Amino acid sequence: DIQLTQSPSFLSASVGDRVTITCRASQGISSYLAWYQQKPGKAPKLLIYAASTLQSGVPSRFSGSRSGTEFTLTISSLQPEDFATYYCQQLNSYPMTFGQGTRLEIK
Amino acid sequence: EVQLVESGGGLVQPGGSLRLSCAASGFTFSDHYMDWVRQAPGKGLEWVGRTRNKANSHTTEYAASVKGRFTISRDDSKNSLLLQMNSLETEDTAVYYCGRGRYGDPRDIDFWGQGTLVTVSS
Repeated sequence: DIQLTQSPSFLSASVGDRVTITCRASQGISSYLAWYQQKPGKAPKLLIYAASTLQSGVPSRFSGSRSGTEFTLTISSLQPEDFATYYCQQLNSYPMTFGQGTRLEIK
Repeated sequence: EVQLVESGGGLVQPGGSLRLSCAASGFTFSDHYMDWVRQAPGKGLEWVGRTRNKANSHTTEYAASVKGRFTISRDDSKNSLLLQMNSLETEDTAVYYCGRGRYGDPRDIDFWGQGTLVTVSS
């Protein structure tokens, strides 16, 4: 199975900060990676698919990129509504694993 | 408007069975792959399995942790996704989400239901 390792697991930041979350795959997954945002008690929400394509309706401050087996989610200027947990998911092969999550909290 | 509404969760004893349903509306259900994803209390997301669309013969894939115990099926005539869970274990306690696979590759989950809680306990 493909393992996804997110870093950091926990991140404390302030409104207006630029933050980056990394997801490393244990083997090549091409660009078959998605990023989701989940708020407490709510279902996840798709932010980015195919590593760097912004889902319709998602603010442009969110962006994704890929370098080999390392993927990054960047939020250019944190807004209060962005404090949540973020997950990556690989869709290259079954089982379609998720990263362990990155919890983003207000400093 | 795309909607996915799960139902069927509840309390079940270890070794028991439960069937979850997901009612879909607002899109052409038969065109889409559909997934189940679960989340144990306070834990991360775990992909459970998938059923492909009609064009791909509704074939299924499962996580190793549920293979042989869980069965995913669908009824395109009723826009319904099902998860039959047998031989339930305490480790199966989680919120179960159904999700729509985005049309076209890669089939990430572009819409999610609100989830239904399954508690396995004696």
